Amino acid sequence: SAVISQKPSRDICQRGTSLTIQCQVDSQVTMMFWYRQQPGQSLTLIATANQGSEATYESGFVIDKFPISRPNLTFSTLTVSNMSPEDSSIYLCSAEGTDRDTQYFGPGTRLTVL
Amino acid sequence: AQKITQTQPGMFVQEKEAVTLDCTYDTSDQSYGLFWYKQPSSGEMIFLIYQGSYDEQNATEGRYSLNFQKARKSANLVISASQLGDSAMYFCAMRALAGKLIFGQGTELSVKP
Repeated sequence: SAVISQKPSRDICQRGTSLTIQCQVDSQVTMMFWYRQQPGQSLTLIATANQGSEATYESGFVIDKFPISRPNLTFSTLTVSNMSPEDSSIYLCSAEGTDRDTQYFGPGTRLTVL
Repeated sequence: AQKITQTQPGMFVQEKEAVTLDCTYDTSDQSYGLFWYKQPSSGEMIFLIYQGSYDEQNATEGRYSLNFQKARKSANLVISASQLGDSAMYFCAMRALAGKLIFGQGTELSVKP
């Protein structure tokens, strides 16, 4: 199994600022993903973080708003840019296991935008 | 389009009893995977159980079992001998192309003492 850590665990930010969330996996993984969970809602995929290339974004999410980096097979960052109160959510990083029958999640980052 | 449907927004169960959480899915893929996750109030997503579309037997993991009915496109989670610590949100998800997961809306389970 993979253990995933995220930093920060929570933050309160001002409108118009940006926050970068870090995701660290304790083993090399092929697939890493970023999800958003708005209050009282289910999880929605933001993008697939591709190692060494641009992330693949889902419909409704754009690189200018959610730039993602993945410099190696164990680490990724998600930046939430020019934040507004609508960005208040839990942001979760996940990684797929090598046998594809598991997908592990980090503990999440609770973001509140004032 | 692929879709996961959980029709029970909330469920109650008495401690030590079994409970079934419903999940139906829609996909045109022949090969797919189905997951169940538990999300306590802390917000973390805890992996519970996985069922592959070609698996002939229902998956089991301790007190969790998955009632997989392929023809009906259902993948219900059964929790036996419920405990107070089982109170949480439960999400059903399907593995789509390139590993991404599509989630249902979730079921909030409350276990009564």
